[in-house]
Amino acid sequence: DAGVIQSPRHEVTEMGQEVTLRCKPISGHNSLFWYRQTMMRGLELLIYFNNNVPIDDSGMPEDRFSAKMPNASFSTLKIQPSEPRDSAVYFCASSLTSGGAGKNIQYFGAGTRLSVL
Amino acid sequence: AQTVTQSQPEMSVQEAETVTLSCTYDTSESDYYLFWYKQPPSRQMILVIRQEAYKQQNATENRFSVNFQKAAKSFSLKISDSQLGDAAMYFCAYSPGDNNNDMRFGAGTRLTVKP
Repeated sequence: DAGVIQSPRHEVTEMGQEVTLRCKPISGHNSLFWYRQTMMRGLELLIYFNNNVPIDDSGMPEDRFSAKMPNASFSTLKIQPSEPRDSAVYFCASSLTSGGAGKNIQYFGAGTRLSVL
Repeated sequence: AQTVTQSQPEMSVQEAETVTLSCTYDTSESDYYLFWYKQPPSRQMILVIRQEAYKQQNATENRFSVNFQKAAKSFSLKISDSQLGDAAMYFCAYSPGDNNNDMRFGAGTRLTVKP
């Protein structure tokens, strides 16, 4: 398996623009997570999905952030409008929450470094 | 709420020697999982080791082992025979036993390996 795939790796945009980050989880995984990493706040869970359904979005900073998972193999995180304080590395991770040796292990993508000017 | 504390912002070790990274956590649960993740400069988060709280035996993965003290809520990572490629940020993480929606990460420890 290719692992969790995120695109783009880097995104530079201007304040006010819409940004869409993409994630393809590991095939067969039923949970997907979006994290944000900054120097000041470390790794923060933004939202997670179980079986394509958003379960907890309490970590989403504000209404400018939205996430979707239209099917088991694709998710997006959208920021509209973007602001300079949104600059961070955004990670997607997936896991299997049913039984097995790999249960509860989250596998991370390479992340998207977002810079909002 | 569960919290994870890594009290060492930075650590250094001489190549081929052993280093221990500390982690403590707070929880009222009895069933949970603990993890150590490594984040090298490439920024990829890589799982190093996982410990299931109901297992008393400490997890081991090659040169990496943990000292899990459940009563003390302590979960330290020992790296033996340190290699230059071990240089990275190391994050300790906690997740509940029933699901992993609430994985909490510590602030991280930056490990430097000196040749």
